Amino acid sequence: DAGITQSPRHKVTETGTPVTLRCHQTENHRYMYWYRQDPGHGLRLIHYSYGVKDTDKGEVSDGYSVSRSKTEDFLLTLESATSSQTSVYFCATRRGGVQETQYFGPGTRLLVL
Amino acid sequence: GENVEQHPSTLSVQEGDSAVIKCTYSDSASNYFPWYKQELGKRPQLIIDIRSNVGEKKDQRIAVTLNKTAKHFSLHITETQPEDSAVYFCAASTRNNAGNMLTFGGGTRLMVKP
Repeated sequence: DAGITQSPRHKVTETGTPVTLRCHQTENHRYMYWYRQDPGHGLRLIHYSYGVKDTDKGEVSDGYSVSRSKTEDFLLTLESATSSQTSVYFCATRRGGVQETQYFGPGTRLLVL
Repeated sequence: GENVEQHPSTLSVQEGDSAVIKCTYSDSASNYFPWYKQELGKRPQLIIDIRSNVGEKKDQRIAVTLNKTAKHFSLHITETQPEDSAVYFCAASTRNNAGNMLTFGGGTRLMVKP
């Protein structure tokens, strides 16, 4: 499981509140990713990081921001949660270089009421 | 950007039969194609992958084939077992300045009936 943990694992919140999800890895992987998983859509990339303080937008970045202040932690923030952001959120990491494999964390189930 | 389509969305087979899942991609620059298996309530886990310089790869009962000209790749599972029941995702990877980006297909729910 590449030493990836996510917190919290489950969260219920109300529309308009800020939410921060944390991804923590112990493998010293360079690349980190945030995906959301919704029925029929597979996994869609929200944001990714290619190093400390280096981040970029993915396919569905609107309404989300990220930060990576140290190698092991990648935070995803919903500034003002909406019901459309109800989803399962997965973090993934990749070592980099010729290593292509992305390893996924256990996921966070978020319900926005 | 890359677009990956996956078919079928659901697949039901009898134990012992073969299962085939197909994906097409749009970006001819894609160079890496992983397949992930996700059991109910679990994280996606890599089961096999193939690079663009290889046409076929096998690992015991699973195999992946790649046709770069047609821009499609397929997962083959032989002698299916009930524990193969899961959702399978294909993905295509395109490299940019910030590294490889994966675009996933919509998933196939495989049900293996005992």
